[in-house]
Formats: sequence, structure tokens, C-alpha cells
Amino acid sequence: SQKIEQNSEALNIQEGKTATLTCNYTNYSPAYLQWYRQDPGRGPVFLLLIRENEKEKRKERLKVTFDTTLKQSLFHITASQPADSATYLCARREDQAGTALIFGKGTTLSVSS
Amino acid sequence: DAGVTQSPTHLIKTRGQQVTLRCSPKSGHDTVSWYQQALGQGPQFIFQYYEEEERQRGNFPDRFSGHQFPNYSSELNVNALLLGDSALYLCASSETPGSQAYEQYFGPGTRLTVT
Repeated sequence: SQKIEQNSEALNIQEGKTATLTCNYTNYSPAYLQWYRQDPGRGPVFLLLIRENEKEKRKERLKVTFDTTLKQSLFHITASQPADSATYLCARREDQAGTALIFGKGTTLSVSS
Repeated sequence: DAGVTQSPTHLIKTRGQQVTLRCSPKSGHDTVSWYQQALGQGPQFIFQYYEEEERQRGNFPDRFSGHQFPNYSSELNVNALLLGDSALYLCASSETPGSQAYEQYFGPGTRLTVT
């Protein structure tokens, strides 16, 4: 079965630093990976999608990379702010035909001022 | 433009009872997926509805069933509730499968507690 793993459960950094979160997947390379943000008691919010033929994607202070050799995606938040504190989820398609997602457990980021 | 809405917000049920959760998708979306999220875990896919049919199903027992209506809204039904069914139930809507728009828009969730 397909799996997706986010190795760090928690990450604590100082305001202004760059946060880097890791997502690893098993088996076949997904056509794309997605990253979501989830605040406590709320539903996940879509942030970025990166396709397997894209090495890197950026959106404002966010950057995502996709390495099919390492079977890994890295999610970066530059110039982090306390408002970036949340749980970040990585997701892949459950199979090659549909659009249902398998999520990692998430990494909880805490940015202190 | 209303996003994904879910009702109720919270629900407390007793073991063995049945529950129905409701979801209205984002305007313009016709595909609805349901996820279960236990505390400290990522969302786990239950099933997906498109054109009023179940298109994909995750590893959940038959106690979990659903329905999609002609207006694209959806219901999730859980029978014979177990303590382990306590979780946040999330509804997500998306565009037509094959549209190349893969992101999913989640509702705020329904917190179900089974006692």
C-alpha cells in the first residue's frame, strides 16, 4: 500500500529563520504531492501542489521541492513568523487513477518571537 | 462565495447508535470526499462521491456509508458506533475528476464523540 511519512512530529524555530519540513513516500512516484496547513480544530487548507516533473515551486514565502530519486519532498517557509505556527500536512494520491488523498501525520511548527 | 460547510459542528453519541453527518461542497465543485482524523493523526480517506456514486473507498468497514444528492451535497452515515469512531470528520470538495485541478477544499469538520 502507498505510504507517506513526515518524520518530524514537531519543529520549533525562532522568528525570521527558515523552517524546513520533510515528507517521504514509498512505492511508485505520485504524479504530484500536495501540502496543506491545519490549525487546531479546523479543516486543512491547501497551500501548494508540485508535480513530479517540477523540481521546485514557490508561492510568496513558501517553497516546495520534489526529488523522485530520494522519494522526498521538502517544504520551506522563509522569514518565518509566529502566525506560521500550525500543523503542516503532506499528501499524495491514494492510487494512480483517482484523486483521493493519503496524508502524513503532519509536522507541528512552532515559531517563537 | 461560500466554502465547504458541514453540520453539525459537534456531536455526542452513545456506543451502538447511528449518526449522520452533512456536507455542502464549495460552489462549482461536484466531487465530495470524506476523511476521518483521529487526534494527532493525519486525515484518513473514507470514500469519495461523484455523480451521486461512490467512486473510491478507503479501508473502512461497511458501517460507514454515504450518499450524494443531485445538488452535490453529501451525507456520511456511521452505524453501530464504536468508541474508536470518535474523531474529527472532514468533508472535502474538489472539481470534476480529470479536470487537472487536484487540490481539495476542506470544511471545518464535525467533531464526533462516542461514549
